[in-house]
Amino acid sequence: GDSVTQMEGPVTLSEEAFLTINCTYTATGYPSLFWYVQYPGEGLQLLLKATKADDKGSNKGFEATYRKETTSFHLEKGSVQVSDSAVYFCALHSSASKIIFGSGTRLSIRP
Amino acid sequence: EAQVTQNPRYLITVTGKKLTVTCSQNMNHEYMSWYRQDPGLGLRQIYYSMNVEVTDKGDVPEGYKVSRKEKRNFPLILESPSPNQTSLYFCASSLKTSGRSGYEQYFGPGTRLTVT
Repeated sequence: GDSVTQMEGPVTLSEEAFLTINCTYTATGYPSLFWYVQYPGEGLQLLLKATKADDKGSNKGFEATYRKETTSFHLEKGSVQVSDSAVYFCALHSSASKIIFGSGTRLSIRP
Repeated sequence: EAQVTQNPRYLITVTGKKLTVTCSQNMNHEYMSWYRQDPGLGLRQIYYSMNVEVTDKGDVPEGYKVSRKEKRNFPLILESPSPNQTSLYFCASSLKTSGRSGYEQYFGPGTRLTVT
């Protein structure tokens, strides 16, 4: 069945460091891919998305490119801030209308 | 304000005592879904609904029931809760069904359930 494998955390970086959180997927058909972010004590909110191969989603300095050939959707940011500390989830929306989440990656940024 | 609401936010109960967690959205969304979040496992889909009177199982439906009698409401029912259902539960909705549509999910604030 469909699945999402996400880089395990926690990840701790210094402010202004470069961030990569890896995400790979297995799916039949043509899924849409998403990154959601969860701040402490809150529900998830959409960070960015891509609906077809080679699409790049971007928001708040974060980017991810839908790579069909490597079945990946890695999250990147050039210069992280303390306010980026949160848990990040990669997710796919399958053609069967199910939604599959990765296990989440906790990111902590040191001032 | 567009939102998904869940009640209660916190609940402590005992094994076997039936409970219902309510979920409501005011965005006229067709698709609604329940998830549980457990450490190291991420979010797992329990049930989802593509429209009124249409529901289907997610990955972890055992021990749960849902109903979708109205478009805005999607309650989660635990007929006989057990300690392994202690978790953080999220309701979510989106405009339409998923797949290539790319419609984002809007999440409620979560319900922390403890079953002793």
